[in-house]
Amino acid sequence: DQQVKQNSPSLSVQEGRISILNCDYTNSMFDYFLWYKKYPAEGPTFLISISSIKDKNEDGRFTVFLNKSAKHLSLHIVPSQPGDSAVYFCAAGSQGGSEKLVFGKGTKLTVNP
Amino acid sequence: DARVTQTPRHKVTEMGQEVTMRCQPILGHNTVFWYRQTMMQGLELLAYFRNRAPLDDSGMPKDRFSAEMPDATLATLKIQPSEPRDSAVYFCASGLIRQGGYSNQPQHFGDGTRLSIL
Repeated sequence: DQQVKQNSPSLSVQEGRISILNCDYTNSMFDYFLWYKKYPAEGPTFLISISSIKDKNEDGRFTVFLNKSAKHLSLHIVPSQPGDSAVYFCAAGSQGGSEKLVFGKGTKLTVNP
Repeated sequence: DARVTQTPRHKVTEMGQEVTMRCQPILGHNTVFWYRQTMMQGLELLAYFRNRAPLDDSGMPKDRFSAEMPDATLATLKIQPSEPRDSAVYFCASGLIRQGGYSNQPQHFGDGTRLSIL
């Protein structure tokens, strides 16, 4: 049973437009959420995180939104750039920490010039 | 920037052989994680250590996999004997986790070892 789900395996957007990546979770104990970006042949790199006490966190072009009642989070990238093309993983942890993260299977984002 | 270093980057070997993967965590990080990535399962946590002590290896097949931290600068993941179903990318990650597991510090990943068992 997948506790963290990224239902869209892929997403394609035009450069300059907004990219919205979605993630759903089932475990109510999760209270810390992260997004990682992964390029081919490299390890995942941390992008942005959000604690369950917040509903939004912003870092430059990246914003993560958390809807606890719906057990849903999303990553917004605006404006999207070709260099953003990568696989994006959503991850969730509990007890306020990044220990024992559960990862989604990823969404491949392609930003077309 | 400090990085997690994994060796080898690629390993191809025959079924039944022993495989050892190594990881050098970021200096100062007290927690080391081993993950496996496959197409079917995605990223799965195999085991992790805090201050070199194993905390959880419930994700690891016990009969053939073993994970150790001989010292603070080296973590190893061994498979013996290896099987074709072990073919995957194995990632090591490290992080600074405070007492009780509370931390808002993210895990930092190495670039992985791509393992192919023929």
